[in-house]
Amino acid sequence: ETGVTQTPRHLVMGMTNKKSLKCEQHLGHNAMYWYKQSAKKPLELMFVYSLEERVENNSVPSRFSPECPNSSHLFLHLHTLQPEDSALYLCASSQMGRPEQYFGPGTRLTVT
Amino acid sequence: LAKTTQPISMDSYEGQEVNITCSHNNIATNDYITWYQQFPSQGPRFIIQGYKTKVTNEVASLFIPADRKSSTLSLPRVSLSDTAVYYCLVGEDSGAGSYQLTFGKGTKLSVIP
Repeated sequence: ETGVTQTPRHLVMGMTNKKSLKCEQHLGHNAMYWYKQSAKKPLELMFVYSLEERVENNSVPSRFSPECPNSSHLFLHLHTLQPEDSALYLCASSQMGRPEQYFGPGTRLTVT
Repeated sequence: LAKTTQPISMDSYEGQEVNITCSHNNIATNDYITWYQQFPSQGPRFIIQGYKTKVTNEVASLFIPADRKSSTLSLPRVSLSDTAVYYCLVGEDSGAGSYQLTFGKGTKLSVIP
């Protein structure tokens, strides 16, 4: 596979469930990002990892927990979500020192 | 973070050249300008980036004047498949070489047959 992949592509979960979103990049990049895109809203940056260290956390609620075990993989662990957390969650990667980011196809999350 | 302003929407006929201008009056010295394209329910796709003057690739051209307070994305001979939302972003280094991008509402381009 090439580029940035995300699994699952669609996820429906109840408010008491625990689930994880997975992102994998095959571009040799060393920075990875999580974004949230709600309906009719701009993309919001959630987390930034550079060389597997978190460098940015834009005041995201603790029910979202990121994990970056290596430079190719990024996870977003979800627990006790709210219906307003339903959105498209996008992962991106970049090469350090380069501004362009490459996005995955996203996970469409629905919280019931 | 440098804020960007771009038109909410634009219409164009197939085969025409489309120019989308973005203003970023408080761009910082180290900031780069990047443009992305997004189709519904898909992740944004990187189109082009530049720092100053003109940049061209197989998809588009980017014109940046000397003061860097604006930029213009030029799409030559658009087709129906170019109908999408186009975002202009000014990237700020978050530290350790990663860039924080702040997306606005973008410009919704509609290509008409």
